[in-house]
Amino acid sequence: AQSVTQLGSHVSVSEGALVLLRCNYSSSVPPYLFWYVQYPNQGLQLLLKYTSAATLVKGINGFEAEFKKSETSFHLTKPSAHMSDAAEYFCAVSGTGPARQLTFGSGTQLTVLP
Amino acid sequence: ETGVTQSPTHLIKTRGQQVTLRCSSQSGHNTVSWYQQALGQGPQFIFQYYREEENGRGNFPPRFSGLQFPNYSSELNVNALELDDSALYLCASSTRLAGVGDTQYFGPGTRLTVL
Repeated sequence: AQSVTQLGSHVSVSEGALVLLRCNYSSSVPPYLFWYVQYPNQGLQLLLKYTSAATLVKGINGFEAEFKKSETSFHLTKPSAHMSDAAEYFCAVSGTGPARQLTFGSGTQLTVLP
Repeated sequence: ETGVTQSPTHLIKTRGQQVTLRCSSQSGHNTVSWYQQALGQGPQFIFQYYREEENGRGNFPPRFSGLQFPNYSSELNVNALELDDSALYLCASSTRLAGVGDTQYFGPGTRLTVL
């Protein structure tokens, strides 16, 4: 079964600093991987998606993620953090069953310090 | 283009009651998935509806049931509510594409509190 592990439930960075949120996956087949962001009291917004077309995936709001098969990782990065990036971030992998349901990690809360 | 909408926004029920949550899928999407997000956790898959039939189910008891209508909107019904059912319920819509990871677009959620 597919699964993802997010390392670090809380990450704090200063405004303007690099953002690095870690995600490792476990999958018996080539995975489809996603990053979603959740602002307080809201649903999930798709940041980016990996579908094997390219290992470096660019998403919205300046975020990108690199798929590394050898490390089974799909870490999310942003060169310069903004205050508006403060939110919870979820990594997810798509299942292989008929529903192709998403299996989510436990989330990483990003705090951006002024 | 209208995104995924859910109603109601918030709901308070007592243990043992029944609840119905509603979801309208994004225009052009024929698949609806429901997820439960407990406080401080990632969403967990409840079930999916495709062409008005259940297309997959997570590890949830039968008292969680659903429907999909011809216009692809959907309902989630929960019977005999328990305190642990308190959570944010998220609906996601998508279009099934062969050979590609379906992108699921989420609604704002319904916050259910069971007292």
